Amino acid sequence: GAVVSQHPSWVICKSGTSVKIECRSLDFQATTMFWYRQFPKQSLMLMATSNEGSKATYEQGVEKDKFLINHASLTLSTLTVTSAHPEDSSFYICSAQRGNRGEKLFFGSGTQLSVL
Amino acid sequence: RKEVEQDPGPFNVPEGATVAFNCTYSNSASQSFFWYRQDCRKEPKLLMSVYSSGNEDGRFTAQLNRASQYISLLIRDSKLSDSATYLCVVNNDGGTSYGKLTFGQGTILTVHP
Repeated sequence: GAVVSQHPSWVICKSGTSVKIECRSLDFQATTMFWYRQFPKQSLMLMATSNEGSKATYEQGVEKDKFLINHASLTLSTLTVTSAHPEDSSFYICSAQRGNRGEKLFFGSGTQLSVL
Repeated sequence: RKEVEQDPGPFNVPEGATVAFNCTYSNSASQSFFWYRQDCRKEPKLLMSVYSSGNEDGRFTAQLNRASQYISLLIRDSKLSDSATYLCVVNNDGGTSYGKLTFGQGTILTVHP
């Protein structure tokens, strides 16, 4: 079946550094990918919709200059957390859409970011 | 009001028990409905889609009531491996962005011997 690879799984970094997270669709082309964030004991919250070849669409309250999204190819989207701070510590997870049905949505395995 | 609301639980049940989870959603124009399962610090995994006619997959039965904007999940004969967080998920974009999902906060289930 389809696989979405997300890398890295864990990141520990110092405050002020930038962290890049990659999301790859391994055996299908994904024109649209989604980035979610999940704080402990809370639901996944959509951060942004990443569209290949165009600017990402950010959800209300998500700073686009803080969370840079690049979807340069049909199989790769990246999320860069710029100047990370402890409050950015969270579980970040991507998903890739194949086709036009919600069932054809595949999630990456997530990235646990810890900012010291 | 949250877009998707679930009872967070936790539900602690013995093996073999039947347990039911409820969920309500606020957007009457919501298009698609799902139950996902999420284990700790893992990605959510699709358990089943939910249809108005109701659908069953083995020990799992899902129901949708559009008039009441209510979704349910019934698990029969609970197994230890059913322990997880169950997420009620709604898709509000009936256009091309079927992947734009709204998640409930999840209901924690623990099945004990």
